[in-house]
Amino acid sequence: ELKVEQNPLFLSMQEGKNYTIYCNYSTTSDRLYWYRQDPGKSLESLFVLLSNGAVKQEGRLMASLDTKARLSTLHITAAVHDLSATYFCAGRPSGSARQLTFGSGTQLTVLP
Amino acid sequence: AAGVIQSPRHLIKEKRETATLKCYPIPRHDTVYWYQQGPGQDPQFLISFYEKMQSDKGSIPDRFSAQQFSDYHSELNMSSLELGDSALYFCASSPQKLAGAHYEQYFGPGTRLTVT
Repeated sequence: ELKVEQNPLFLSMQEGKNYTIYCNYSTTSDRLYWYRQDPGKSLESLFVLLSNGAVKQEGRLMASLDTKARLSTLHITAAVHDLSATYFCAGRPSGSARQLTFGSGTQLTVLP
Repeated sequence: AAGVIQSPRHLIKEKRETATLKCYPIPRHDTVYWYQQGPGQDPQFLISFYEKMQSDKGSIPDRFSAQQFSDYHSELNMSSLELGDSALYFCASSPQKLAGAHYEQYFGPGTRLTVT
């Protein structure tokens, strides 16, 4: 059974600072997803990481995947207030099952 | 671009009542997933359908059932509602057959169910 752990669970950071959210998973996962969720809203897809060493960047967010370490990171560069949200990583177990297993989420607050 | 449609967006029910949530996937998406998200929690997988057949089952209570219809829309039927069923219910869809598809799941806006 795939288990996904994120840390930290809560993150307050000042505008302009950099930080990294970590996502560890327990068994083989053939792809790793990052989602953003604003309070009471839907989940917005940010990145899909398919292979070892994959790196994707969009604006101030960069995600990477190390399948050997079973670790994905979401790096935030020069944070701005608009990035305040909850960020979830999710894995999909290898094999036929297609559902996602989510981490607990990281609630990010960017302070002015 | 078309997105996943869910209805209703908000629903208030009393304990022991029944509720039906509807999901209309993105056109040409053949797989539908249902997730439940309690307050302050991560989404938990309930059930999924591929080409109108149930494909995977998660932590869905026996009081809940779901199906996918010939037009690919899906309905989640919930009976004997309990206070603990209050949550956001998301439907997601993905294209399994499209070339280059990465099984990316696109989430709908959710239905907020409140059981009183």
